[in-house]
Amino acid sequence: QQQVKQSPQSLIVQKGGIPIINCAYENTAFDYFPWYQQFPGKGPALLIAIRPDVSEKKEGRFTISFNKSAKQFSLHIMDSQPGDSATYFCAASMGGGSEKLVFGKGTKLTVNP
Amino acid sequence: SAVISQKPSRDICQRGTSLTIQCQVDSQVTMMFWYRQQPGQSLTLIATANQGSEATYESGFVIDKFPISRPNLTFSTLTVSNMSPEDSSIYLCSVGQENQFFGPGTRLTVL
Repeated sequence: QQQVKQSPQSLIVQKGGIPIINCAYENTAFDYFPWYQQFPGKGPALLIAIRPDVSEKKEGRFTISFNKSAKQFSLHIMDSQPGDSATYFCAASMGGGSEKLVFGKGTKLTVNP
Repeated sequence: SAVISQKPSRDICQRGTSLTIQCQVDSQVTMMFWYRQQPGQSLTLIATANQGSEATYESGFVIDKFPISRPNLTFSTLTVSNMSPEDSSIYLCSVGQENQFFGPGTRLTVL
C-alpha cells in the first residue's frame, strides 16, 4: 500500500519554466514532509521540508505549497535551470520519535536549455 | 548535516554469496537507517539500527536475509545474504531525525 502518491512520473520543461510536482497522502498522522533531490549515482539530498501548520515555504527557487484539508503538497521550482535536472522525491514522516520516512515514487525532471 | 560514507561504492556478486556494506558517519548519531532503492524506483526502508539494541525491520525484510550490526554511534553494517538477482539494488544508509541525510549508496549487481 503506497502511503504517499507522487505525480507526474516524469516532467520535461524549458529553462526558466516552473515545474510543479504533486504529492498526496492519506495518513493524517504524518506531520513532516520533506523533499529530496537525487542525481544519478548519488544519494538523495534534502531540499526543503514543511509541516502541515504552514501553507507555504520558500527556500531560494524552491517552494512547497501545502493543503492540509486536501492532504496534498507540491514542489514548485522557479526559474528552472538545466542543473535542476534530477529525480525528486516527496516523503512523509510521523515524528513523535518515529523518524521513518515514507517516500513517493519519484519524478524525473528534465530541464532543457 | 552529517558526512556519510559507504563502502563499497559498487560491487558485482555471484548468486548465493553475501555482501557486507559499511556505513560510516562523521559524528555520533542515535539512529541509522538502511534503505533499498531498486533500479529506477523509490526508496524503501529496510530497517532502523539503534546502537546497543537489535535492529527493527520493516514488513517484508527479515534479519536472516539482511543482518545489521551497530557496534557504535558512528558505524553500521548491512549484510545482504544468500543473494539472488532480485537483490540487485542501491543500498543506502541515512542518519538524522526529521531531516535525514543519506550516504552515496552502494550499487549492488547480482549475477
